[in-house]
Amino acid sequence: AQSVTQLGSHVSVSEGALVLLRCNYSSSVPPYLFWYVQYPNQGLQLLLKYTSAATLVKGINGFEAEFKKSETSFHLTKPSAHMSDAAEYFCAVNAISSGSARQLTFGSGTQLTVLP
Amino acid sequence: NAGVMQNPRHLVRRRGQEARLRCSPMKGHSHVYWYRQLPEEGLKFMVYLQKENIIDESGMPKERFSAEFPKEGPSILRIQQVVRGDSAAYFCASSPPGSGRAFEQYFGPGTRLTVT
Repeated sequence: AQSVTQLGSHVSVSEGALVLLRCNYSSSVPPYLFWYVQYPNQGLQLLLKYTSAATLVKGINGFEAEFKKSETSFHLTKPSAHMSDAAEYFCAVNAISSGSARQLTFGSGTQLTVLP
Repeated sequence: NAGVMQNPRHLVRRRGQEARLRCSPMKGHSHVYWYRQLPEEGLKFMVYLQKENIIDESGMPKERFSAEFPKEGPSILRIQQVVRGDSAAYFCASSPPGSGRAFEQYFGPGTRLTVT
């Protein structure tokens, strides 16, 4: 079984401030982890992925995430927020060696607001 | 390189009618996934298909819902006798063959189904 918890359904930051979106996962097998971004009325765009290589993963648009096994976390960060980062962000897990391989399990999402 | 295409983007059906949602995967991708996003929720896995095969349908409702991915043409998600609770955004994703990037899922823009 696998699950994802995103702490904070809404996060507001000022433009130029640090962005930190939290994601904790539960998986009975080594996971693959993903962050997706969704702009209004659009599909999901893959920001970055962790697939058991480097624990610090860099993605598009200046985002990065660090896999911490001891904390079962995969938090998303960006040093300086831009107005264009305002969107909904989803963390997802894929338990690759379980019976439900390839099935992505999503968190409930975090809506990021960037204040001018 | 065109991304995942879904049509229609918006679909309105009356209760009891049928809804057909289409998905064309990215060029070279042979795996298709359907997810459903209810309002204010994350995406929920429905079904995973390869050409002419349903691999995992553990997320599909037992009745009224079916999916196919024929040898030629797009994948189809079919909902018979729609009810208001079927109103949601339905997203299709695809992934490439092979083990290296097999777990990257690329999403289409979604079909927003409204049942009146």
